[in-house]
Amino acid sequence: GESVGLHLPTLSVQEGDNSIINCAYSNSASDYFIWYKQESGKGPQFIIDIRSNMDKRQGQRVTVLLNKTVKHLSLQIAATQPGDSAVYFCAEGGTSYGKLTFGQGTILTVHP
Amino acid sequence: EPEVTQTPSHQVTQMGQEVILRCVPISNHLYFYWYRQILGQKVEFLVSFYNNEISEKSEIFDDQFSVERPDGSNFTLKIRSTKLEDSAMYFCASSEWDRGSPLHFGNGTRLTVT
Repeated sequence: GESVGLHLPTLSVQEGDNSIINCAYSNSASDYFIWYKQESGKGPQFIIDIRSNMDKRQGQRVTVLLNKTVKHLSLQIAATQPGDSAVYFCAEGGTSYGKLTFGQGTILTVHP
Repeated sequence: EPEVTQTPSHQVTQMGQEVILRCVPISNHLYFYWYRQILGQKVEFLVSFYNNEISEKSEIFDDQFSVERPDGSNFTLKIRSTKLEDSAMYFCASSEWDRGSPLHFGNGTRLTVT
């Protein structure tokens, strides 16, 4: 079946380092991709999104890269801070009304 | 910043009982959703709702589930006869439009069925 999956379930970095979280997707019909951050006891928090007509989008300290050729999505976090520690989910959508397919999540731990 | 609010934060119920989970979406949003997350698993789509009707639902959303927008601000999920496997975090979300609009999630209701 079609799915969204993450290559690395855990990632540990030092404060100040750049972090890269990867995601593979398999539904070539998806045209919208989102990264969410989820802290313990909270709901998914929107970070950044990208449409399939783009290959890069930047936000504050975050960049999302989309490679449609290999169906790969990544989230780059610059100068990672302890407050960035959370589970990060990629999700794909666009084929139907708000139906996002989430990946399994990557646990990011930032050490001070 | 406007946010989606959900009540209660934790609901404990006995198997076979009905529960209603409540949500107040962001006020100018037109599309509403319920997702759930079983402990340690992925966030899963349940249902989308627009213009007072269901737009799409997943296989999980069977006849035991229903949604309603009883007034101009609330959006509810009802589970008629809860089962043990319904235990999960239930997240409400809303968006301004459908395709290509980011969903904003609430902090969830933890449902525990005993």
